[in-house]
Amino acid sequence: DVVMTQSPLSLPVTLGQPASMSCRTSQSLAHSDGNTYLSWFQQRPGQSPRRLIYKVSNRDSGVPDRFSGSGSGTDFTLKISRVEAEDVGVYYCMQATHWPWTFGQGTKVEIK
Amino acid sequence: QLVESGGGLVQPGGSLRLSCEASGSSFSSYWMRWVRQAPGKGLEGVANIKTDGSETYYVDSMKGRFTISRDNAKNSLYLQINSLRADDTAVYYCTTAIRGSPINFWGQGTLVIVSS
Repeated sequence: DVVMTQSPLSLPVTLGQPASMSCRTSQSLAHSDGNTYLSWFQQRPGQSPRRLIYKVSNRDSGVPDRFSGSGSGTDFTLKISRVEAEDVGVYYCMQATHWPWTFGQGTKVEIK
Repeated sequence: QLVESGGGLVQPGGSLRLSCEASGSSFSSYWMRWVRQAPGKGLEGVANIKTDGSETYYVDSMKGRFTISRDNAKNSLYLQINSLRADDTAVYYCTTAIRGSPINFWGQGTLVIVSS
């Protein structure tokens, strides 16, 4: 199985400041069809997960443009340009290139 | 768009059938999956199912006791869980599973508690 390693596990941030988190994978996520199936999910406290980003850098509908995804191969990053209070929660990366699809362990974002 | 049901308190060794009802007319065109989350833990995939139910894929640790199925006429997805164990205690989410698509819906989840 592809192992997804997220860091940091805890990310204290200041409102209005940028934040960045990493997701590293044990195998390349480049698919033979030319796509890289790496997604990012946000889970606010007490809520269901919500996808923010798919195929590395595509924002889902309704996702603020302060969220951006980048990366390739085995190294991926989610950035928040200016953290707002509503961004508190746990962020998971997930790969769908190889079966079984696997999640990272999550990065918990909290306000300092 | 997705509403799960069927969770509850069940004794070890028991069985449960979870349901997920979709609204709208596009359910039959979506691959679907079940994902679970143990209390205070991360997300874990369980199984995926093709649009017409002809193909199913299970995470190795879920093979044997879990069965994913669907009824497109009823806009419904199911997860049958047998021989329940304490470590099956989790919120079970149904979600679309269309790789690389802008379509991604999640239900609110249904809580399964396995305890005597």
